[in-house]
Amino acid sequence: DAGVIQSPRHEVTEMGQEVTLRCKPISGHDYLFWYRQTMMRGLELLIYFNNNVPIDDSGMPEDRFSAKMPNASFSTLKIQPSEPRDSAVYFCASSAGTGPCFFGDGTRLSIL
Amino acid sequence: EDQVTQSPEALRLQEGESSSLNCSYTVSGLRGLFWYRQDPGKGPEFLFTLYSAGEEKEKERLKATLTKKESFLHITAPKPEDSATYLCAVRSTDSWGKLQFGAGTQVVVTP
Repeated sequence: DAGVIQSPRHEVTEMGQEVTLRCKPISGHDYLFWYRQTMMRGLELLIYFNNNVPIDDSGMPEDRFSAKMPNASFSTLKIQPSEPRDSAVYFCASSAGTGPCFFGDGTRLSIL
Repeated sequence: EDQVTQSPEALRLQEGESSSLNCSYTVSGLRGLFWYRQDPGKGPEFLFTLYSAGEEKEKERLKATLTKKESFLHITAPKPEDSATYLCAVRSTDSWGKLQFGAGTQVVVTP
């Protein structure tokens, strides 16, 4: 079975550029989550969707971050403009109801 | 606010030396406690879900238990391939979907 698929796996870009991270959740899952992981702060929830509708975006750091889920099989997380402090590993996860979350392998983002 | 605290931060074990990891949590109402394993360069991999005090789950050398305030992950006779970071997360009745993670315990098992 296909798990959560994220792209790209690695992204290196310069400060000020727009970054778009992509996620395909597990088919049939109705919850989708975006997490960010750093050494200092661990895994932080940025935003999550239920049935394509954003439910809680209180973890989004600031207006430079936005997320969309246009359909049940695709979501994006966009950073514009990017800053060096955005460097982290970004994970997408999905779940069926309130069952366990299944994670992708993440996007390692480096902002120079 | 939901809180999850894991201890110890790091654990170094000899192969075959059993030990336990602790996850203490504070939630208004528990909708589930989850254990994950994370290897370097990978996303967290789901291990167990526990829903109520007294519940236990087992998988190979791992056993997870749950009380009203904490959960333990017991590693019995570990092998080097059990080396990983183990993460605990809770879902509360106040926040339907959200998983709140602890900082994790990094386990290294040496031959």
